[in-house]
Amino acid sequence: GAGVSQSPSNKVTEKGKDVELRCDPISGHTALYWYRQSLGQGLEFLIYFQGNSAPDKSGLPSDRFSAERTGGSVSTLTIQRTQQEDSAVYLCASSLYPGQGLGYTFGSGTRLTVV
Amino acid sequence: AQSVSQHNHHVILSEAASLELGCNYSYGGTVNLFWYVQYPGQHLQLLLKYFSGDPLVKGIKGFEAEFIKSKFSFNLRKPSVQWSDTAEYFCAVNANNQGGKLIFGQGTELSVKP
Repeated sequence: GAGVSQSPSNKVTEKGKDVELRCDPISGHTALYWYRQSLGQGLEFLIYFQGNSAPDKSGLPSDRFSAERTGGSVSTLTIQRTQQEDSAVYLCASSLYPGQGLGYTFGSGTRLTVV
Repeated sequence: AQSVSQHNHHVILSEAASLELGCNYSYGGTVNLFWYVQYPGQHLQLLLKYFSGDPLVKGIKGFEAEFIKSKFSFNLRKPSVQWSDTAEYFCAVNANNQGGKLIFGQGTELSVKP
């Protein structure tokens, strides 16, 4: 597609439920990144994919968070047993290749609210 | 661990005032530096970037930034701001040995009064 597409744009969930956030990167972009933006804070790196593998998942805050990417394209970020502190905007970005932060394109994000 | 620090959380200026937003990073190796902007209701966009060469980098919309290696700084400047510059500004660092991973600062909210 023309840009990075994320869905849903907004998600309200009850504490303890599982959620799945989807990212559809720009066609042909091999690198895909997930970030989290909490109120009053900057963007926090979560994980990045090169193709279908994740060389760096150091930013995942706990084992409740997981992500996968299939076919070198769509990625899903799953949060199990959501907590209120998980409330944030989850941003996805893609780039042609994972070098030097070149050519990042960000999606509009999914705003997750845990009540 | 790498970190990025932006000194100002919220800056309020009148139109035509000059702007300087501070950014410092902690990493001893080779870095690439970025400023991103997020206008209200829009997604993050790249404002400018530094990889190598001239430490004074010019970006879109009249913005520029200067990389001072000895100070680990990459401050953003604009001589005369406009109301349309109202946005949140993020400084980010990428270390050459960490793929495309960016480490972001906390962001600075800029409000420009018409």
